[in-house]
Amino acid sequence: DAKTTQPPSMDCAEGRAANLPCNHSTISGNEYVYWYRQIHSQGPQYIIHGLKNNETNEMASLIITEDRKSSTLILPHATLRDTAVYYCIVRAMNRDDKIIFGKGTRLHILP
Amino acid sequence: GAGVSQSPSNKVTEKGKDVELRCDPISGHTALYWYRQSLGQGLEFLIYFQGNSAPDKSGLPSDRFSAERTGGSVSTLTIQRTQQEDSAVYLCASSPEAGNYAEQYFGPGTRLTVT
Repeated sequence: DAKTTQPPSMDCAEGRAANLPCNHSTISGNEYVYWYRQIHSQGPQYIIHGLKNNETNEMASLIITEDRKSSTLILPHATLRDTAVYYCIVRAMNRDDKIIFGKGTRLHILP
Repeated sequence: GAGVSQSPSNKVTEKGKDVELRCDPISGHTALYWYRQSLGQGLEFLIYFQGNSAPDKSGLPSDRFSAERTGGSVSTLTIQRTQQEDSAVYLCASSPEAGNYAEQYFGPGTRLTVT
């Protein structure tokens, strides 16, 4: 597995964009970048994934650097409900294998 | 539609007792995963079932842990002779097929407390 590194915690003001970085310098060419989040006392929730192009959905945007060694998850207008732990993982699509989550980034949205 | 369900939602047990945790995946999902999350830690993979293939047990922390998946649907995680370090939230997830992590759905978890 390509390992990822994320800052342990971040603060963001409510209404501002939250930018969560992730380093994955050993990512392989066929591995995707996935983001999940876990709100307190709930199970993890899928957010977005991408291979090399930037992606956007109703929840967030994912910016992947050209060398694919890092990425940034962007929550465009953070709300208090976005307070959660955000996990960045890299996996090959449809690979019959397990997921390994790290400790993630604990995002605090400040009112 | 119905999501992944787990029972019980909370379980308090005495050290040394056995416990069984249940997971009902989304109907039709062939892949089922068990994870646990200790206080302040990230998710830790435990075991993975895919269809009728032999499960990947490489994440089980000790031989006190075992899991079954009957009929390709419901799964039970059993912890024998529980220890205090087993206290954690145990999460189950299912997905339509192996490796389809974009559609991995998690249950609410079972909070296990060993006293």
